[in-house]
Amino acid sequence: TAGITQAPTSQILAAGRSMTLRCTQDMRHNAMYWYRQDLGLGLRLIHYSNTAGTTGKGEVPDGYSVSRANTDDFPLTLASAVPSQTSVYFCASSESSGGSTDTQYFGPGTRLTVL
Amino acid sequence: GQNIDQPTEMTATEGAIVQINCTYQTSGFNGLFWYQQHAGEAPTFLSYNVLDGLEEKGRFSSFLSRSKGYSYLLLKELQMKDSASYLCAPLDSNYQLIWGAGTKLIIKP
Repeated sequence: TAGITQAPTSQILAAGRSMTLRCTQDMRHNAMYWYRQDLGLGLRLIHYSNTAGTTGKGEVPDGYSVSRANTDDFPLTLASAVPSQTSVYFCASSESSGGSTDTQYFGPGTRLTVL
Repeated sequence: GQNIDQPTEMTATEGAIVQINCTYQTSGFNGLFWYQQHAGEAPTFLSYNVLDGLEEKGRFSSFLSRSKGYSYLLLKELQMKDSASYLCAPLDSNYQLIWGAGTKLIIKP
């Protein structure tokens, strides 16, 4: 079982360009999440989805958008990238959002550099 | 506000025992997770506590005191591969994980 996959592994992007980070899980988990991780800071939630067809804003949603057309895929789009969006991006999923089933499983991450 | 406090860095010797503390303040509480993260890799699940007390899982144990807003992760018989960051993350009333910055554990021979 692959678990969660993310693509690309890394990317260098010019400021002002758009980009979509892809995330796919094969565990049939209901909930999915996007985080960014910056040196010295904890993981910060960007957007989440409790179930297919619904999304919600996390702690740092500005400049990012998501969609959840089906259970497996949860792409993250940067409409017009800025240097402050340079970070490592992790996608995660959990069986549901409530109690012990909240255990989140992470993809390998995408390292994004915006110049 | 919500706040997680963990030591930034700890050093321990191979074969020894180390305790990583975490204090938290959250809006509501629905359990607490510990994750391990090796440099350049994704976080991986270690433990989940929702009731007070100690949960033991092999060389790793996790303790929770809800009244004190306190948890610790105990690692025994340390191995070089335990060098990693350890992330404390309580679940708040909205079932959102609140992540600490993590404790970087350095194991020396």
